[in-house]
Amino acid sequence: EAGVTQFPSHSVIEKGQTVTLRCDPISGHDNLYWYRRVMGKEIKFLLHFVKESKQDESGMPNNRFLAERTGGTYSTLKVQPAELEDSGVYFCASSQDRWQQFFGPGTRLTVL
Amino acid sequence: GESVGLHLPTLSVQEGDNSIINCAYSNSASDYFIWYKQESGKGPQFIIDIRSNMDKRQGQRVTVLLNKTVKHLSLQIAATQPGDSAVYFCAETSLSYNTDKLIFGTGTRLQVFP
Repeated sequence: EAGVTQFPSHSVIEKGQTVTLRCDPISGHDNLYWYRRVMGKEIKFLLHFVKESKQDESGMPNNRFLAERTGGTYSTLKVQPAELEDSGVYFCASSQDRWQQFFGPGTRLTVL
Repeated sequence: GESVGLHLPTLSVQEGDNSIINCAYSNSASDYFIWYKQESGKGPQFIIDIRSNMDKRQGQRVTVLLNKTVKHLSLQIAATQPGDSAVYFCAETSLSYNTDKLIFGTGTRLQVFP
């Protein structure tokens, strides 16, 4: 069974540009989560989808971040415009039954 | 690497010894706890979990202990191997409050030397 996949693995952009991260959850997992670790900090929750609906977006830092999950399959996280403090590693996770979240390898975002 | 700038406590153990990694959690309402292992360049990997109605749970070479009185969680690894070298995170959540949001600890780096 394929795990959670994320694309790209690395992204380097300049401040003010736009970046879109993609997550493909494990097939059949209705729950999809985004987390991130910015430099020097813990892994922090961003939001949770159940199928295509946002169940909890309490961790989204501001309106520069937009997450979508059209069709309830893969998800995208867009940062527009990117700021220096957005640099970090963005993780996606998925789960079937809420008890166990399976994480992807992460996307390392560097904003210059 | 990913942990640059994040000063993690480090536990160094000799191969074959037992390891104990500790975690203090923050929310007394948390009812589900998970230990994750993260190797360099990879995402957190599930190791073992425990619900708040238990105080101990065992897996293969790993045991998790939960002390709700002092809000403390520990992960014990028996016969530590070089492949156990990684950063270990505890995470908590409150499923009874209808949230799946995991709250992660800062992590502990485990180094295994021969």
